[in-house]
Amino acid sequence: DGGITQSPKYLFRKEGQNVTLSCEQNLNHDAMYWYRQDPGQGLRLIYYSQIVNDFQKGDIAEGYSVSREKKESFPLTVTSAQKNPTAFYLCASSIRPGAGTDTQYFGPGTRLTVL
Amino acid sequence: AQSVTQLDSQVPVFEEAPVELRCNYSSSVSVYLFWYVQYPNQGLQLLLKYLSGSTLVESINGFEAEFNKSQTSFHLRKPSVHISDTAEYFCAVSDRQGGSEKLVFGKGTKLTVNP
Repeated sequence: DGGITQSPKYLFRKEGQNVTLSCEQNLNHDAMYWYRQDPGQGLRLIYYSQIVNDFQKGDIAEGYSVSREKKESFPLTVTSAQKNPTAFYLCASSIRPGAGTDTQYFGPGTRLTVL
Repeated sequence: AQSVTQLDSQVPVFEEAPVELRCNYSSSVSVYLFWYVQYPNQGLQLLLKYLSGSTLVESINGFEAEFNKSQTSFHLRKPSVHISDTAEYFCAVSDRQGGSEKLVFGKGTKLTVNP
């Protein structure tokens, strides 16, 4: 089955620790995205990548980092600098970079809770 | 930059009643518009999209949306809802910034269908 997988589904971390969220796609899509979802806030873009070894900051990149070493993988690290990391994190991909007409396909999400 | 306003954060309706979820966007310059649906604890799925052509677009499960350029609106409607339509619905617009297209999401509308 083609799609996007995110792991783990639930993640707990202690304050001050870095944590990495996994995102893998087998759709052969060029573009990948990370969003943060908070209740009543919709989705906010953290980072996006249009091609391997390249990525750009979204609207709320502070306290996060990403890498894109392989086309199918786009992991997100939530660093200790992120002041309010508890949220639902969604990864998405689309076929072509920078194409406004393309559908974005979403993974099932990772719920991060900071204790 | 584009912005999206979803006027209702929650919409409760009874089964088999009609429903309208409202969405307005900020600019009438050439736009691409999307409705996504999110079932509890899942990622988002595309419901329908407007790219060009006919202003009325339909989904496979009975939803439809009409692009109204003069009112900068893209309201989502269904003539008769089912319990299974209970979900959160997000309106999104494609926004070109810095040479790339990104999706800007509204804050979502929670549709609850009661028996």
